[in-house]
Amino acid sequence: EAGVAQSPRYKIIEKRQSVAFWCNPISGHATLYWYQQILGQGPKLLIQFQNNGVVDDSQLPKDRFSAERLKGVDSTLKIQPAKLEDSAVYLCASSLDQGGGGYTFGSGTRLTVV
Amino acid sequence: SQELEQSPQSLIVQEGKNLTINCTSSKTLYGLYWYKQKYGEGLIFLMMLQKGGEEKSHEKITAKLDEKKQQSSLHITASQPSHAGIYLCGADIGAGGTSYGKLTFGQGTILTVHP
Repeated sequence: EAGVAQSPRYKIIEKRQSVAFWCNPISGHATLYWYQQILGQGPKLLIQFQNNGVVDDSQLPKDRFSAERLKGVDSTLKIQPAKLEDSAVYLCASSLDQGGGGYTFGSGTRLTVV
Repeated sequence: SQELEQSPQSLIVQEGKNLTINCTSSKTLYGLYWYKQKYGEGLIFLMMLQKGGEEKSHEKITAKLDEKKQQSSLHITASQPSHAGIYLCGADIGAGGTSYGKLTFGQGTILTVHP
């Protein structure tokens, strides 16, 4: 089966610019997660979707970050405006149903804000 | 404090040496996942443990989950330069008999293997 697809693979932007990341989960996976991993740290959950509804967005900086999963399939994470401290790897993961069957991660998007 | 503590934060070993990385939770683990990562890239799945006392091996890597399901260890035998990277433990943590349905990660362990 195809894995979790993410794009772009790398992105460099200037501070105050906006950026968007895209994720296509494994077909049939109801739960989708976005994680932020600042280099040198473990991944931190930003938002969790169950189908097209938000389960947990408690750690999403909502003043600048937004995410959607309109049709319950692919998802977009946006940052506007970006800050230097947003430089990180953004990982998308999916699971069949809230962890059931395990978690599959994409290759990540490495964001550098200059 | 972190929900999941991983130690050590970094490890430098000579090729051929054995090593162990630990992952400890203050809460019951409903699933414990070990990943390897190259700097700035995605996560490579290694192993998943769910049952107390469970042990799994793949090539020279062995992972164990203790009986109380609150601590896991990853052991590499006869390390090689190809084992170098960042090792992450991710836990499905829960309370009251229910998983939260998401992974919480430790801080990671940076492994360097000198030839």
